[in-house]
Amino acid sequence: AQSVTQPDIHITVSEGASLELRCNYSYGATPYLFWYVQSPGQGLQLLLKYFSGDTLVQGIKGFEAEFKRSQSSFNLRKPSVHWSDAAEYFCAVDLSGGYQKVTFGTGTKLQVIP
Amino acid sequence: NAGVTQTPKFRVLKTGQSMTLLCAQDMNHEYMYWYRQDPGMGLRLIHYSVGEGTTAKGEVPDGYNVSRLKKQNFLLGLESAAPSQTSVYFCASSYSNRGAGGYTFGSGTRLTVV
Repeated sequence: AQSVTQPDIHITVSEGASLELRCNYSYGATPYLFWYVQSPGQGLQLLLKYFSGDTLVQGIKGFEAEFKRSQSSFNLRKPSVHWSDAAEYFCAVDLSGGYQKVTFGTGTKLQVIP
Repeated sequence: NAGVTQTPKFRVLKTGQSMTLLCAQDMNHEYMYWYRQDPGMGLRLIHYSVGEGTTAKGEVPDGYNVSRLKKQNFLLGLESAAPSQTSVYFCASSYSNRGAGGYTFGSGTRLTVV
């Protein structure tokens, strides 16, 4: 069975600092990977996705993620965090090989301090 | 373009009452999903549909039923609500094309069962 692990429940960073949110997955085949963001009281919004090709993918709002097969990781990064980035972030994996059956991690809540 | 619309946004039920949550999408997506979100548990799949007239069980289907009579609508029913069903419910939709990837989420329904 496949799973997604986000080891950090809560992270606090200063505005302007860099950010890296960790995500590890367990899945036998080439995974389809996603990062979503959820602002308070809102639904989830897709930040970026990886299917194949270049292992560094760019997303919206200045985020990027790098797929590392050897480490079974898909970490999310941002060079300089803005106060508006405070939200909860979810990593997800499609276990159906691209046929849209996604399992989500438990989320990492990001707090941004001045 | 409305995307995915969920109604109602909030609801309080008494134990044993029934209700139906409605999800409507205007993107002509084939796939639709119902998730529940609980603190510390991420999103868990309740039921999903791969096309009009079809439904399938997800990870936590007990106590819920669904119907997809029209392509654009996906209904989630609770026949006899229990306090354990207190949660935030999210509907999502996606294309069927492999590799298209990514869900579009509604803004959620916050349900409290007392």
